[in-house]
Amino acid sequence: RKEVEQDPGPFNVPEGATVAFNCTYSNSASQSFFWYRQDCRKEPKLLMSVYSSGNEDGRFTAQLNRASQYISLLIRDSKLSDSATYLCVVNGGGGSNYKLTFGKGTLLTVNP
Amino acid sequence: NAGVTQTPKFQVLKTGQSMTLQCAQDMNHEYMSWYRQDPGMGLRLIHYSVGAGITDQGEVPNGYNVSRSTTEDFPLRLLSAAPSQTSVYFCASSYSPGRSTQYFGPGTRLTVL
Repeated sequence: RKEVEQDPGPFNVPEGATVAFNCTYSNSASQSFFWYRQDCRKEPKLLMSVYSSGNEDGRFTAQLNRASQYISLLIRDSKLSDSATYLCVVNGGGGSNYKLTFGKGTLLTVNP
Repeated sequence: NAGVTQTPKFQVLKTGQSMTLQCAQDMNHEYMSWYRQDPGMGLRLIHYSVGAGITDQGEVPNGYNVSRSTTEDFPLRLLSAAPSQTSVYFCASSYSPGRSTQYFGPGTRLTVL
């Protein structure tokens, strides 16, 4: 099983749609989980951390299921500006809590 | 507050040449790291540092050296460039790698001919 595995995508959705991304991780000792966003030819930027109880930031909701080692990101009422690649990130890769392991990313295109 | 800066933005090398990618941060972060990003591969950790004088290998360290003489700077050295090192290189820093935001630099696009 790959350390961090994401939906391969790409996702093409109309404006206003709800879209969900899924991510699984292999290291049961991982303690920290994040979603990053990367625009085309730009650096990744933190979108949100993922907490055990789930958390919401405006139109974005992140969920964590430790038993299934599964993370999700829900985007409601999609905007054109949400078009980007979404990266699932987990710490604890390679047996070290200092290492972050990135998924390959899921490309989202929101169409007018 | 410039955040994380990287130079150069673009570089073309010939096979066998050496060069240093520069990375600096002005946020007083202890943790710094280097990643490479290739199509279909995602971001892969090359080397990281948890403080001045302390470095360790990541997932793909071969062909690269790092040093951390100051908190601010974390240069990445390519010893003898190979076409397989053609990639986009990102430097990142954070207060705590597993608990806080990783701030990335704008990247260096490297082509090795």
